[in-house]
Amino acid sequence: NAGVMQNPRHLVRRRGQEARLRCSPVKGHSHVYWYRQLPEEGLKFMVYLQKENIIDESGMPKERFSAEFPKEGPSILRIQQVVRGDSAAYFCASSVGRLNTEAFFGQGTRLTVV
Amino acid sequence: GESVGLHLPTLSVQEGDNSIINCAYSNSASDYFIWYKQESGKGPQFIIDIRSNMDKRQGQRVTVLLNKTVKHLSLQIAATQPGDSAVYFCAEKGANSKLTFGKGITLSVRP
Repeated sequence: NAGVMQNPRHLVRRRGQEARLRCSPVKGHSHVYWYRQLPEEGLKFMVYLQKENIIDESGMPKERFSAEFPKEGPSILRIQQVVRGDSAAYFCASSVGRLNTEAFFGQGTRLTVV
Repeated sequence: GESVGLHLPTLSVQEGDNSIINCAYSNSASDYFIWYKQESGKGPQFIIDIRSNMDKRQGQRVTVLLNKTVKHLSLQIAATQPGDSAVYFCAEKGANSKLTFGKGITLSVRP
């Protein structure tokens, strides 16, 4: 009964490197959300994907950030040329449907840019 | 006014007392609401949900109340325990299915 799995749990990158964050949703879930959380703050929506499609990316910076959810495999949040301000916890959630359904969260990836 | 980056508001309750955590949501078109609990270093954990056609829903030791007139959501925890100490977030979902979170509240349970 695996829940949402995120890896790695902790990721350290130097400025200018690329960060790849992976999210495997609950089995049978085809909707994935990515959120970013800074210490002592709430969760900020980044992007919502449904298998192979980006439904809403209004919370994701236009530059350096991209997300995908391929037909096979996990959802990937990719951050190119990371900067110190990208340091945060990134959470993924999945749900079985679009409306009125629970969304379950993973344990997050804590990205530190040095 | 509000400031970004300051500590979250804190609710301190005595162990055994009832807790009431409040949330004001922003989108009158939202039709689904969820309360999450987040412990330090962990992801948000689903507590209870409610649809907009309801005004109350009860779970085990928790009750969620929805007042659509004033766009207010509350979470009541009966007989609060030390394990309830965490940050609590309300979230709303509208027709676009985007799950939007409110500002969290830290619940601190005094022994």
